[in-house]
Amino acid sequence: SQQGEEDPQALSIQEGENATMNCSYKTSINNLQWYRQNSGRGLVHLILIRSNEREKHSGRLRVTLDTSKKSSSLLITASRAADTASYFCATDEAFFQGGSEKLVFGKGMKLTVNP
Amino acid sequence: KAGVTQTPRYLIKTRGQQVTLSCSPISGHRSVSWYQQTPGQGLQFLFEYFSETQRNKGNFPGRFSGRQFSNSRSEMNVSTLELGDSALYLCASSRLNPGNTIYFGEGSWLTVV
Repeated sequence: SQQGEEDPQALSIQEGENATMNCSYKTSINNLQWYRQNSGRGLVHLILIRSNEREKHSGRLRVTLDTSKKSSSLLITASRAADTASYFCATDEAFFQGGSEKLVFGKGMKLTVNP
Repeated sequence: KAGVTQTPRYLIKTRGQQVTLSCSPISGHRSVSWYQQTPGQGLQFLFEYFSETQRNKGNFPGRFSGRQFSNSRSEMNVSTLELGDSALYLCASSRLNPGNTIYFGEGSWLTVV
């Protein structure tokens, strides 16, 4: 079952613009991770934010987490054509017995950055 | 340091056959998970292993199985292949500590004809 839902599902912007994508989830979590996937390739880890963190930065990436609303956002600043990819949020399940690291993914958001 | 390595990268099988996919985790990672990605269902969890023990299993039929070896390498097997098993199969590894990043391989593309 899908836990996360990215919004919007597709976004097309010009190089240099910022891209914001949102993710909502349903259950309590320990961590939320964002991944990028280029067409036909594996998942590249972008950033992990813990449930007790509200904001995190990594280079041109800024992630926020609002556990009260069960939502997260990923902001990519000064986008480049190379950022064109699908982006996924993934959450774990906080209270799974035994501490499983199973990730539940959203459907993904396709970002197109036009040169 | 080498990432998660999956083999083979691409394969084509016929309905009714079986397939084995292999995954070598990042050195030092003892937790390995498998996911199936299809256009219709998205990314779905198959199973998770730690120290050769299955810790969690997704909602897939018994035709899907896996195992982990003492060196943390893992294999998954799909028997009696169906057309709907065509997918990208992704392996992930981590150190299994709270807050640890989970890293994915490039995946194995399986086409069933």
